[in-house]
Amino acid sequence: QSALTQPPSASGSPGQSVAISCTGTSSDLGGYNYVSWYQQHPGKAPKLIIYEVSKRPSGVPDRFSGSKSGNTASLTVSGLQAEDEADYYCSSYGGTNKFPWVFGGGTKLTVL
Amino acid sequence: EVQLVESGGGLVQPGGSLRLSCAVSGFTFSSYGMNWVRQAPGKGLEWLSYISSSSSTIYYADSLKGRFTISRDNAKNSLYLQMNSLRDDDTAVYYCARDRGGYASDTWGQGTMVTVSS
Repeated sequence: QSALTQPPSASGSPGQSVAISCTGTSSDLGGYNYVSWYQQHPGKAPKLIIYEVSKRPSGVPDRFSGSKSGNTASLTVSGLQAEDEADYYCSSYGGTNKFPWVFGGGTKLTVL
Repeated sequence: EVQLVESGGGLVQPGGSLRLSCAVSGFTFSSYGMNWVRQAPGKGLEWLSYISSSSSTIYYADSLKGRFTISRDNAKNSLYLQMNSLRDDDTAVYYCARDRGGYASDTWGQGTMVTVSS
């Protein structure tokens, strides 16, 4: 069982927007602005697409955006493209009572 | 170009040991903390261990129960994971990843597969 809760699947049509949620607790995700999101295509390594809740690494399209409210973080993918079909994982600082890193269980994004 | 290349994976019997290596290039290895993360077949990501740039700070996931040891050699630009008392549920792809700070990893290796089976 993952420390952070994500929906197992999400979908949208090309050009649409889709949001993926990631829920933790006030002791981890809700207590710190250290939420990251990773994109993973089949057979490939994860790729960092969002860090510190809403910051994008260089080279990541601005179609990807992150936010947080309370104990829930969200990744929004706007203007969906076929290549966005992948697994997405959230991660957060685990808080002082846990090990530093916690992951969500992952969300499979399907572009219809 | 920043590169992380894992090696050392393979087939091992339950109870056996393996030592994974991660060779890095393209950045100043001694300035970055590093992580090991694994992914069991068809499953999600699981963080395993972190080591700071100088090896002064090390963390492990509780699930490892003291079986794994992380280390690094900054002179050799290499990260290691010594895995002992391996179990069937340790079967996974093992990734090394560069820590960018803020509890995020910005560069990952391609992974090395570890299969624990008799």
